[in-house]
Amino acid sequence: DQQVKQNSPSLSVQEGRISILNCDYTNSMFDYFLWYKKYPAEGPTFLISISSIKDKNEDGRFTVFLNKSAKHLSLHIVPSQPGDSAVYFCAASTTFSSGSARQLTFGSGTQLTVLP
Amino acid sequence: NAGVTQTPKFRILKIGQSMTLQCTQDMNHNYMYWYRQDPGMGLKLIYYSVGAGITDKGEVPNGYNVSRSTTEDFPLRLELAAPSQTSVYFCASSYDKIKVIGNQPQHFGDGTRLSIL
Repeated sequence: DQQVKQNSPSLSVQEGRISILNCDYTNSMFDYFLWYKKYPAEGPTFLISISSIKDKNEDGRFTVFLNKSAKHLSLHIVPSQPGDSAVYFCAASTTFSSGSARQLTFGSGTQLTVLP
Repeated sequence: NAGVTQTPKFRILKIGQSMTLQCTQDMNHNYMYWYRQDPGMGLKLIYYSVGAGITDKGEVPNGYNVSRSTTEDFPLRLELAAPSQTSVYFCASSYDKIKVIGNQPQHFGDGTRLSIL
């Protein structure tokens, strides 16, 4: 069962417009949510995160919104730039049952293409 | 500033062969992780380690082994390669003051693309 879902495999947006990437989760134990960006032949790089006690976090052009009641989060990129073209992974974090480390559960990713 | 380094970048194995995927980090992170990513899927955790000498299973540990003799290195071993292990493997590390600072993002290497034929 997928605990973190990204239902849109791809998204195309015109340069300068807003990109909105969506993510849904099912596990109420998740207490942090993260977005990672991945270019081909590279590892994922951390982009932005949000605690479950907040509903918005902003960092420059990137804003993450969290709707706990709907178990939904979204990443907004404004304005979108061609260099933003990449795969974006949503990830949700909770503590391992041993309490010793944090476990990340990833969605399947959304390929964002920003057209010049 | 190397971060997390994985070797090799690519490898083709025959069924039944064994190999070790290397991972080293220079950020003095105590926590390290191994993930696999299959096409069209998210990353799935294979094994993780909270410090030298301490490892534990993740979501998909079958067919793999790990060891952690130093803080810097966290190799992943495939003993009897099977076609189902064809995947891209990512190693990651993170800072360990989680309970004090809160969630700390994991830093990833560039991956090892492994094909088993």
